[in-house]
Amino acid sequence: DAMVIQNPRYQVTQFGKPVTLSCSQTLNHNVMYWYQQKSSQAPKLLFHYYDKDFNNEADTPDNFQSRRPNTSFCFLDIRSPGLGDAAMYLCAASEIGTLQPQHFGDGTRLSIL
Amino acid sequence: QQPVQSPQAVILREGEDAVINCSSSKALYSVHWYRQKHGEAPIFLMILLKGGEQKGHDKISASFNEKKQQSSLYLTASQLSYSGTYFCGTEMRAAGNKLTFGGGTRVLVKP
Repeated sequence: DAMVIQNPRYQVTQFGKPVTLSCSQTLNHNVMYWYQQKSSQAPKLLFHYYDKDFNNEADTPDNFQSRRPNTSFCFLDIRSPGLGDAAMYLCAASEIGTLQPQHFGDGTRLSIL
Repeated sequence: QQPVQSPQAVILREGEDAVINCSSSKALYSVHWYRQKHGEAPIFLMILLKGGEQKGHDKISASFNEKKQQSSLYLTASQLSYSGTYFCGTEMRAAGNKLTFGGGTRVLVKP
């Protein structure tokens, strides 16, 4: 089945140690998203790509960066994780344009020691 | 601006009905509904576009009142599998694919 896959499901890193989260999709969708979701809260959009066109949300910390080397893969880099960055990170993909459902991966739960 | 969902939580017995509301202070182009079970991905339920439009997904349906800038999700004859957190995502015409999610409504269906 076509899907969005995130690896790993659980990631533990140390305070200040860079970490990269991975996402791949077999849907061949042009748009990919990264969301941060803290406990009992709504998913919060960090970035999205229209194909290779990168769009950064205004309130996304500079500590967070993203790469999309091709249609299928997208990475979230956290350069110097702080305790406040512990969260579930969700990747999603959709067709381009309005009225398109977003298909989510199962997420990566990031813990900071 | 984040849409407001109400109630924040609801507990149902199997077979009971519930309504979840999603309100925005801004003009909406569409409303998307998702359900997320604990530790899992949000699952797409439906999109509503036009004012007054109603859609259904099994025994879950929704309406969109354009004038009130509000969408309501109806859980009819709830099943145990309906448990989870329901999020509405609002889409503005100029925002393309971007959604802003509401704070979520936790639904627990008990036997």
